[in-house]
Amino acid sequence: GESVGLHLPTLSVQEGDNSIINCAYSNSASDYFIWYKQESGKGPQFIIDIRSNMDKRQGQRVTVLLNKTVKHLSLQIAATQPGDSAVYFCAESNTGFQKLVFGTGTRLLVSP
Amino acid sequence: ETGVTQTPRHLVMGMTNKKSLKCEQHLGHNAMYWYKQSAKKPLELMFVYSLEERVENNSVPSRFSPECPNSSHLFLHLHTLQPEDSALYLCASSPQGGAGNTIYFGEGSWLTVV
Repeated sequence: GESVGLHLPTLSVQEGDNSIINCAYSNSASDYFIWYKQESGKGPQFIIDIRSNMDKRQGQRVTVLLNKTVKHLSLQIAATQPGDSAVYFCAESNTGFQKLVFGTGTRLLVSP
Repeated sequence: ETGVTQTPRHLVMGMTNKKSLKCEQHLGHNAMYWYKQSAKKPLELMFVYSLEERVENNSVPSRFSPECPNSSHLFLHLHTLQPEDSALYLCASSPQGGAGNTIYFGEGSWLTVV
């Protein structure tokens, strides 16, 4: 069956460092991937997405890398700030109607 | 402001009560969703509506009843819930219902069943 998992439940970094959050997926037919950020008491907030015909996509301070060979997705955050502290989810889909499969999330803690 | 507004933000209800969660999206999207988020579990898709037609019912118990009167509004009617139904219920929308459309979430409704 489909599954999306995260390697680390918690990642602690210093302010200013670069953060890398990893995600593994099992469905090789997945063709769309999204990263969400969820702050305490709020709903998931879209960060960046990538389609399977790409292996890298950049946004503002964030980069998503997709390695289809090993079914691995990562989110890189440059110059991490305290406001980046949150839980980060990856999600994947491949079905006709949008049916995202979410991982359990990685908590990013940024200390000053 | 996410463009997807949910009310109420917090709800406490007894197991014999009937209540409803409301969602409104201001993004001009054609698809709307209900997700459930429990502690330490991945987000679970409950229902998908595309152009006001239900296109996905992810084996959700009948004590949860969705309603989509138009493409901007979505309700989740609740009755005879169980304590294990306590969770954060997230409404979301996307431009279209097909795969590859970015889903935007509301802030959620925290439900506690006592």
